Amino acid sequence: DAKTTQPNSMESNEEEPVHLPCNHSTISGTDYIHWYRQLPSQGPEYVIHGLTSNVNNRMASLAIAEDRKSSTLILHRATLRDAAVYYCILRGQAGTALIFGKGTTLSVSS
Amino acid sequence: DAGVIQSPRHEVTEMGQEVTLRCKPISGHDYLFWYRQTMMRGLELLIYFNNNVPIDDSGMPEDRFSAKMPNASFSTLKIQPSEPRDSAVYFCASSLRRGGPDTQYFGPGTRLTVL
Repeated sequence: DAKTTQPNSMESNEEEPVHLPCNHSTISGTDYIHWYRQLPSQGPEYVIHGLTSNVNNRMASLAIAEDRKSSTLILHRATLRDAAVYYCILRGQAGTALIFGKGTTLSVSS
Repeated sequence: DAGVIQSPRHEVTEMGQEVTLRCKPISGHDYLFWYRQTMMRGLELLIYFNNNVPIDDSGMPEDRFSAKMPNASFSTLKIQPSEPRDSAVYFCASSLRRGGPDTQYFGPGTRLTVL
């Protein structure tokens, strides 16, 4: 699975939108882009994934660049509960285990 | 579904003792993964099973670590003898399929402290 690059940390205010970027310039045509997050003292949890088109679910939106070399996780209205480490992970069709990088630590202030 | 269940949630033991961590995956999931998380190395895969069979154990740090999956509902990760450097949070995860769009579901983890 190809590598991803994320900023180490980001800050946000409560109820404001948050855009978490991820670069994956070596992505292959069949790699899915996954986002997981890890709240303090909890296991990682799935947030969203996509292949080519933008995706929305109840937790977040995923915007994928046209060339697929980057993507952005969008939290539309950050809450204090969204403070977590966010991981951007690429998974090929044959991929099994998730390969976690350092992720982005998101801090949310009230 | 109750999700992935791990026990114990916390374990404190002394160096040299045997430690057994337990995991119950989500019913119907064919894949089970054991990960370890430390400050230095982050989250890393130790081993994974498909239909109860170990497929890749290349992440198991040394022979002191062993993992089994006697049936579809239960897996253990054993450390014998334990050492202080084994202190970490150990996560179990399960998934329905492999690769591509599939989602992994993680348990709450077992925080192991070896004194």
